[in-house]
Amino acid sequence: AQSVSQHNHHVILSEAASLELGCNYSYGGTVNLFWYVQYPGQHLQLLLKYFSGDPLVKGIKGFEAEFIKSKFSFNLRKPSVQWSDTAEYFCAVNVLSNTGKLIFGQGTTLQVKP
Amino acid sequence: GAVVSQHPSWVICKSGTSVKIECRSLDFQATTMFWYRQFPKQSLMLMATSNEGSKATYEQGVEKDKFLINHASLTLSTLTVTSAHPEDSSFYICSARDYLGSSSGNTEAFFGQGTRLTVV
Repeated sequence: AQSVSQHNHHVILSEAASLELGCNYSYGGTVNLFWYVQYPGQHLQLLLKYFSGDPLVKGIKGFEAEFIKSKFSFNLRKPSVQWSDTAEYFCAVNVLSNTGKLIFGQGTTLQVKP
Repeated sequence: GAVVSQHPSWVICKSGTSVKIECRSLDFQATTMFWYRQFPKQSLMLMATSNEGSKATYEQGVEKDKFLINHASLTLSTLTVTSAHPEDSSFYICSARDYLGSSSGNTEAFFGQGTRLTVV
């Protein structure tokens, strides 16, 4: 079955530390890839997305992600995190051969200490 | 980005009653909407795909007679939790995609703010 796996369930960092959250998916066909963020008490917001082209995509708030097709990965990175980045992060995959539904990873809770 | 609105934001109901949740795309037409369920500290689990003018497609393990979905127009989908029980208490989220704005069909999904359902 198609699945999305986020390896880090809970990450604690100090401000200014670098961040990398892993995301792997299991599907061999064409996919669209997304990272969403959910701040406490708020709804999901799109951080960045990959559809095609340059595998290194830049999103809002200094986030970026790199699509490595050979590794079925789409890891999220930020060089220097801020306290305001404390949130839940979800990786999602849209398999283009089906209805367009998103399959979500289990999420990573990021806690940034001031 | 496009706006998806859910109503209500939270609802408390008695066990055995039914609850309707609305999902509206405010500034675009959505031929397809998706309903997700999120348990505390867990990810979003897709429940069903709502198709305008036709029957919804449910994911494996989701009871279609319990979670009734209606997508009567291009801007509105509703999820009705029938005969709700405490185990139905959860956070329900809808999303919609604006396919009309893309020639390739590749578009992002926009999410509603979610509905917190508590069944007592």
